[in-house]
Amino acid sequence: DAKTTQPTSMDCAEGRAANLPCNHSTISGNEYVYWYRQIHSQGPQYIIHGLKNNETNEMASLIITEDRKSSTLILPHATLRDTAVYYCIVPGTYKYIFGTGTRLKVLA
Amino acid sequence: NAGVTQTPKFQVLKTGQSMTLQCAQDMNHEYMSWYRQDPGMGLRLIHYSVGAGITDQGEVPNGYNVSRSTTEDFPLRLLSAAPSQTSVYFCASRLGGGNYGYTFGSGTRLTVV
Repeated sequence: DAKTTQPTSMDCAEGRAANLPCNHSTISGNEYVYWYRQIHSQGPQYIIHGLKNNETNEMASLIITEDRKSSTLILPHATLRDTAVYYCIVPGTYKYIFGTGTRLKVLA
Repeated sequence: NAGVTQTPKFQVLKTGQSMTLQCAQDMNHEYMSWYRQDPGMGLRLIHYSVGAGITDQGEVPNGYNVSRSTTEDFPLRLLSAAPSQTSVYFCASRLGGGNYGYTFGSGTRLTVV
């Protein structure tokens, strides 16, 4: 399973874009990148996933580099409710292994 | 759909007691997993299942048993509770056979004294 590396914490001003990076240099050609977030002590929430093309949904955008060794989750207009821990995951066939994620704090 | 339902939400056990954490989903998801999350830490995979009758170990399986007799249910059994098993336990499920996100339950907060 490919391992991921994320910064421990980040701050973002409310209303600005939050860009959360993730390195996954050992990703293989058919492995997807998934992003989840966990608000306070709730269960994690799926955000988005992608293989090699950029993806966008109602929550966020995912930009994957051409060599697929890193990706960036973009929250276009962060709100206070986006304060959470964000996890980048490259799962194996069946196993989802969560790392420690990035703690994003959105500042008023 | 109720999604992923975990019961109980809170539980206090004495050391050595056994109990079963329940997890049920009504989305006809093939894949189900159990995670634990210790205070201030990330989630760690305990056991997972890719279908009824099929289970496998995750990162931290010791002290836990699982079975999957139906698609809907995936109970987690603590055999002899220890204080080190004090944690929040999350169950999750997703469709199989493709690339889908997991849906998580709201968790069971377990304290072993």
